[in-house]
Order: sequence, then structure tokens, then C-alpha cells
Amino acid sequence: KQEVTQIPAALSVPEGENLVLNCSFTDSAIYNLQWFRQDPGKGLTSLLLIQSSQREQTSGRLNASLDKSSGRSTLYIAASQPGDSATYLCAVRVGTGRRALTFGSGTRLQVQP
Amino acid sequence: EPEVTQTPSHQVTQMGQEVILRCVPISNHLYFYWYRQILGQKVEFLVSFYNNEISEKSEIFDDQFSVERPDGSNFTLKIRSTKLEDSAMYFCATQGGQNYGYTFGSGTRLTVV
Repeated sequence: KQEVTQIPAALSVPEGENLVLNCSFTDSAIYNLQWFRQDPGKGLTSLLLIQSSQREQTSGRLNASLDKSSGRSTLYIAASQPGDSATYLCAVRVGTGRRALTFGSGTRLQVQP
Repeated sequence: EPEVTQTPSHQVTQMGQEVILRCVPISNHLYFYWYRQILGQKVEFLVSFYNNEISEKSEIFDDQFSVERPDGSNFTLKIRSTKLEDSAMYFCATQGGQNYGYTFGSGTRLTVV
């Protein structure tokens, strides 16, 4: 059974810092991996989608990498801003025959002005 | 940008009552999902729906749950006899195709009293 772990559980940084959020998964036979942002009491906003054949994806100040063989993904946020404060969730889709996403518990990020 | 719309945003119901949660998917999307998030816990997969039938479901999705797309636009989740432990945020999600990421709605907060 796929398990997804995110470290750290919470992170507080001053504005302007570059930071790395970590996601690990136990079954490396994934189809793709998606990073989401969740604001308190709100839905999930998709940030980046990485297919299993890709090593990284970039969108603005965000860069996500994927190392399938070691079961890891990182989300890099450059020049953090107070508006980046949210919970960041990592989710993996196991395989072509299955569509369900397995989520991690998230990293709660607070960027101090 | 196209959105997934969920109604109501918040529903309070008595234990044992039936509830129907509604979702309007993005119009050209083919795959539909329900997920839930109990307060303080991970987002969990409930069910996936494609071509007017369930394609995958989790252990959580037992006989008290059902899904349908009654009019070709709305996608609904029915909980037949609600229990206290059904209190959670329920998210609808849609996907345009096999290699696309998920788009989530903003959720319905269900409170069973």
C-alpha cells in the first residue's frame, strides 16, 4: 500500500528565504506526482504536476523535482512571500490502471513579513 | 480559468439523515472523483467515476455512499444515513484526461450532529 510522508510538518521562515519541502513515497511505481496548495478551510489548488518520466517541473518561483527510484520529490520555493503561507500537499497516483491519489499530511508553511 | 463548483459550501445535518453533495465538473473533463478530509487528517480518496460508472472506490466508500451524474452536468455524492464520523470536508475533483492533473473544487463542509 502506498504511503506518502511529508517533512517537515510545519515550517516558519522570514520573507525572502528560499525553502525546500520534502515528500517521500514508499512505492516507486508511480504514474505521476502532483503538488497542491491548501489555504485554511479551502480547497486544493494544483501547483505542479510531474509525470513519472519527468525529472522536474517549474512554474514561476516554484520548482518541483522527482526521483522515482529513491521515492522522493521536493518542492522548491524561491524568494518566499507572506502570500505563500499555506499548507502544501504532495499526492501520488499509483499506476495507469488506478486513478486514486494518495496524499501526504502536508507541510504547513508560515512566511513572516 | 475553468473551475469545479461545489454546493453547498457548508451543510449541517442530523445523524441518520440523507445528504446529497453536488458538484459541477469542468465541462470537457471525463473523470470525476470524490475525496474527503476529516479535520486535521489527510485527504482521502473515496471514489472515481468514468463513462457513467464507478471505476474505482476505496474501503471508505461502503453501501451508505453512492454517486451519480443524473443530468449529464451535475455529479453528486449521496450519503444515505449519516453518522457523526462522516463529518468532514468533501472535495469533488475532475480530470481532463489520463495525463492531466486534477482540478479540485472548494469543498463542502459536512457537519453531522
